[in-house]
Amino acid sequence: GAGVSQSPSNKVTEKGKDVELRCDPISGHTALYWYRQSLGQGLEFLIYFQGNSAPDKSGLPSDRFSAERTGGSVSTLTIQRTQQEDSAVYLCASSPPAATNEKLFFGSGTQLSVL
Amino acid sequence: TQLLEQSPQFLSIQEGENLTVYCNSSSVFSSLQWYRQEPGEGPVLLVTVVTGGEVKKLKRLTFQFGDARKDSSLHITAAQTGDTGLYLCAGAHPDRGSTLGRLYFGRGTQLTVWP
Repeated sequence: GAGVSQSPSNKVTEKGKDVELRCDPISGHTALYWYRQSLGQGLEFLIYFQGNSAPDKSGLPSDRFSAERTGGSVSTLTIQRTQQEDSAVYLCASSPPAATNEKLFFGSGTQLSVL
Repeated sequence: TQLLEQSPQFLSIQEGENLTVYCNSSSVFSSLQWYRQEPGEGPVLLVTVVTGGEVKKLKRLTFQFGDARKDSSLHITAAQTGDTGLYLCAGAHPDRGSTLGRLYFGRGTQLTVWP
């Protein structure tokens, strides 16, 4: 497809389990972002990848969260030992090669529910 | 703490009415963006404003960036049912330059337009 693709669209897991969320950005986009959106809250920045530079991980809420981006394309966000407060929509976005005020193109998100 | 405060949080109006939503901060932003998000989808960029005092129009939508680049407003003329959605503002923090990965989002204004 032409847009940012995220999978799964919904994930229900038990507290303590690990989960992996996948993001396939738009082809040719060099930047990739992960945000989290909880009910009634704005988008919370998690992590940002730009080309081959070291990722900006400053938004990750704890060491249970990690993300990688393989080959400058697909990214996986991993949450270990999930907690109920991790329940949220996880949004991925990508943007074209560096330019001032480039657009962020968002996927439809993964709705994570931790029981 | 929220860097960007949006108001009102909820707005419910009849088709044909005009409305204004606000995005305020005590911080100065290098640029500010407005997104619209519909249920089950990621946010979609509407506009980016970069210059203090800038006004941009997109059909019935008028966006204004404050002179001090700390606030913005979105005005919709003659609202339609298709305008229903969550309107989010997002600011690029000035000390990050043009690194849009560090976009700070407000909590959004949920707009419902009734026929």
